Amino acid sequence: QVQLQESGPGLLKPSETLSLTCTVSGGSIRRYYWSWIRQPAGKGLEWIGRIYATGSTNYNPSLKSRMTMSVDTSENQFSLNLNSVTAADTAVYYCAREGGYYDTTGYLGWFDSWGQGTLVTVSS
Amino acid sequence: EIVMTQSPATLSVSPGERATLSCRASQSVSNNLAWYQQKPGQAPRLLIYGASTRATGIPARFSGSGSGTEFTLTISSLQSEDFAVYYCQQYDNWPPWTFGQGTKVEVK
Repeated sequence: QVQLQESGPGLLKPSETLSLTCTVSGGSIRRYYWSWIRQPAGKGLEWIGRIYATGSTNYNPSLKSRMTMSVDTSENQFSLNLNSVTAADTAVYYCAREGGYYDTTGYLGWFDSWGQGTLVTVSS
Repeated sequence: EIVMTQSPATLSVSPGERATLSCRASQSVSNNLAWYQQKPGQAPRLLIYGASTRATGIPARFSGSGSGTEFTLTISSLQSEDFAVYYCQQYDNWPPWTFGQGTKVEVK
């Protein structure tokens, strides 16, 4: 059974860069898409972006200008960088595996495995 | 971007009763819809994908239906462990994948 674990700093100052890593165990990172999803306290879920083992990415247009994702298949890890953070980026950040299928528009997926989440707070 | 709207925001149900949760998409998402359950302090858990297919290990009391823009999650007989927040997610039109705002199922 695949397990995901987020890691990274929990406290950032405004304008700094958020850097998180998700380590995948119990399965290979090569055969799936992998996503980041965030949730501000007491609020709903926001999909941030996803990456495939080849490095192919899809980003949420609302965050695209500030973010990059990368993958390290040798370490079974993928990462998120989000720059110029503000208080609005304060949230629990989850990494997740995307199960799904290919159709004519690309890979369509749901999130079948999740990390436990890590709280990132942006405060001066 | 497809907007997902869930109703009601809060559903008060007694244990053993049926719960019916709704999710509406701003445009058709075919049957590319998933449901998740989230308990306080935990990550969401996948319940349903393809609008009606239960994920591995999900009890049969959870069922999903609908297609196009209207979807329903039904919990046939609520157990104590089912009181939680439920989210729908569309994966038909991207980017981005989008979630509903959630329905909280609470004890009546």
